[in-house]
Amino acid sequence: DQQVKQNSPSLSVQEGRISILNCDYTNSMFDYFLWYKKYPAEGPTFLISISSIKDKNEDGRFTVFLNKSAKHLSLHIVPSQPGDSAVYFCAARRSDDKIIFGKGTRLHILP
Amino acid sequence: GAVVSQHPSRVICKSGTSVKIECRSLDFQATTMFWYRQFPKQSLMLMATSNEGSKATYEQGVEKDKFLINHASLTLSTLTVTSAHPEDSSFYICSARDLNRKGPEAFFGQGTRLTVV
Repeated sequence: DQQVKQNSPSLSVQEGRISILNCDYTNSMFDYFLWYKKYPAEGPTFLISISSIKDKNEDGRFTVFLNKSAKHLSLHIVPSQPGDSAVYFCAARRSDDKIIFGKGTRLHILP
Repeated sequence: GAVVSQHPSRVICKSGTSVKIECRSLDFQATTMFWYRQFPKQSLMLMATSNEGSKATYEQGVEKDKFLINHASLTLSTLTVTSAHPEDSSFYICSARDLNRKGPEAFFGQGTRLTVV
């Protein structure tokens, strides 16, 4: 049972434009949602998180929006840069501290 | 801060042998570490939770006798893949949380690419 879903396996965005990565979840008991960035053959790198009681969190070029009623969150990157090309994982933290990951979305930033 | 180091980064072993992977928190203490496995183009699947000084807890479907976890100190957890077979070939990643940090994030090691031939 996939509790965290990223339905877009890949996304291409022009450099300088906004990248929007989407994520849906099924478990209402998650207390935090997180986004990680991953390059091939490396471990994931933490980007940004949001508490389940908030609806927005911003950190530099990265903003995460949470819509609890829709069980949906999104990561906005603006402006997109070439170094942003990577796989982005949406993740959610359970009350027992375990972090559950989606399948990831590969972001390509086009020159 | 919050650096997690994993070793080795890549290992090739013969079928039937055992392989040990180490995960260290370099600048913080971790009472709990997590072990994940990733198949190509798939998500990171949580395998088990490693608890310092006590037994690991395994996710459903993960064989505890196949994947032995030891968390001997507050900075070191090891995963041993016993009697490895080609289907155990995968990317294994550990993570740990720094409980002194305010946020919910866990920090990940660099991962270990295991190939069983």
